Amino acid sequence: QKEVEQDPGPLSVPEGAIVSLNCTYSNSAFQYFMWYRQYSRKGPELLMYTYSSGNKEDGRFTAQVDKSSKYISLFIRDSQPSDSATYLCAMSGGNTPLVFGKGTRLSVIA
Amino acid sequence: GAVVSQHPSWVICKSGTSVKIECRSLDFQATTMFWYRQFPKQSLMLMATSNEGSKATYEQGVEKDKFLINHASLTLSTLTVTSAHPEDSSFYICSANPASGGSYEQYFGPGTRLTVT
Repeated sequence: QKEVEQDPGPLSVPEGAIVSLNCTYSNSAFQYFMWYRQYSRKGPELLMYTYSSGNKEDGRFTAQVDKSSKYISLFIRDSQPSDSATYLCAMSGGNTPLVFGKGTRLSVIA
Repeated sequence: GAVVSQHPSWVICKSGTSVKIECRSLDFQATTMFWYRQFPKQSLMLMATSNEGSKATYEQGVEKDKFLINHASLTLSTLTVTSAHPEDSSFYICSANPASGGSYEQYFGPGTRLTVT
């Protein structure tokens, strides 16, 4: 079993839809959970960062962490065509390098 | 803040030559920098971790004599691909960890696309 599992998609939604992106993980030592957005041929950009369990909201984006289930989610409300990108989850135990999921390719159709 | 640059953004070289890629943290000091490679439609693969003033730590399967990493200062790390071959063609991305942050806090550069002909 890989440390971090993420459905690669592709995921295609109409503009305005709510998007749900998810990752599961196996390492119970992970404490820090990140979501990155990567546009084609660009470096990843940090979107959301959560420590331990709970929810965090930033504008149209909400990150959720459920450590008991080893499951994290990113929700995008009122999705826009500009949200079309690959979304990577990443996690760390704290003083260890990030472990990335494979990324989910999202297309928001106008 | 937390801007990381890479140079060049893309490079084409002939097989057998060496290529150097620079990674700079522009507005913060980075004790640790990471180098990744990414193949099309694949996730980031960590190649090595470099700490300022010490030898880089390479991930299993990464040839340290082929991918030379130098972290000469708190704002600059370089990756040199020696004797490049077509299979080294990839997207190379660096990230930098602020001196004041944990290892999880990484800011990524825009990447360098290497094509070896």
